[in-house]
Amino acid sequence: QLQLQESGPGLVKPSETLSLTCTVSGGSISSSSYYWGWIRQPPGKGLEWIGSIYYSGSTYYNPSLKSRVTISVDTSKNQFSLKLSSVTAADTAVYYCARDRGYDSGDHSHVDYWGQGTLVTVSS
Amino acid sequence: QSVLTQPPSASGTPGQRVTISCSGSSSNIGSNTVNWYQQLPGTAPKLLIYSNNQRPSGVPDRFSGSKSGTSASLAISGLQSEDEADYYCAAWDDSLNGQGVFGGGTKLTVL
Repeated sequence: QLQLQESGPGLVKPSETLSLTCTVSGGSISSSSYYWGWIRQPPGKGLEWIGSIYYSGSTYYNPSLKSRVTISVDTSKNQFSLKLSSVTAADTAVYYCARDRGYDSGDHSHVDYWGQGTLVTVSS
Repeated sequence: QSVLTQPPSASGTPGQRVTISCSGSSSNIGSNTVNWYQQLPGTAPKLLIYSNNQRPSGVPDRFSGSKSGTSASLAISGLQSEDEADYYCAAWDDSLNGQGVFGGGTKLTVL
């Protein structure tokens, strides 16, 4: 059974960089059929797609976040990571890592596996 | 402000059929398929419907999806108390080199 687990600091100071890692178990991140991505949800609000990465390094990013976001992959550790720079209170959210089916369809909003999510609070 | 528009709330009684709408535009729903997610309180979202009307293994056939033009709908028949949750529609948007977009979510209450 595929499992995804987010890890990283739960508190980040304004203007600093948020860094999260997703560890994939029960399957290979190097599988040719899937992308791996990040989605966030501010407290009490809806979902926001952040971006996706293929094991080769090909990426798609939300245009509204693109200037601040970097998603990378480490196939040797079966992990992928999110970095979001210059954070503000508006970046406070539960961050989910996910597997998406965009390789076949081009639709990276089709997510079939989710991590449990991790709350990141931006505050001094 | 979400790119896809959903009603903030919906309700029904046990056994009833309810529908949740999702409205978009030509760059998202009008040209791509729609996915639906169910989020129970305090948990991660779960894929409920993909490619407009396909159910993943394990999702009851009480849940169904449809799409017409730039709008989509999720229908739940034989409503049960455990269906009380937030529901989100999602689609790929072809604008600005492509991005995933979600609806704002609909909170379903089982009365």
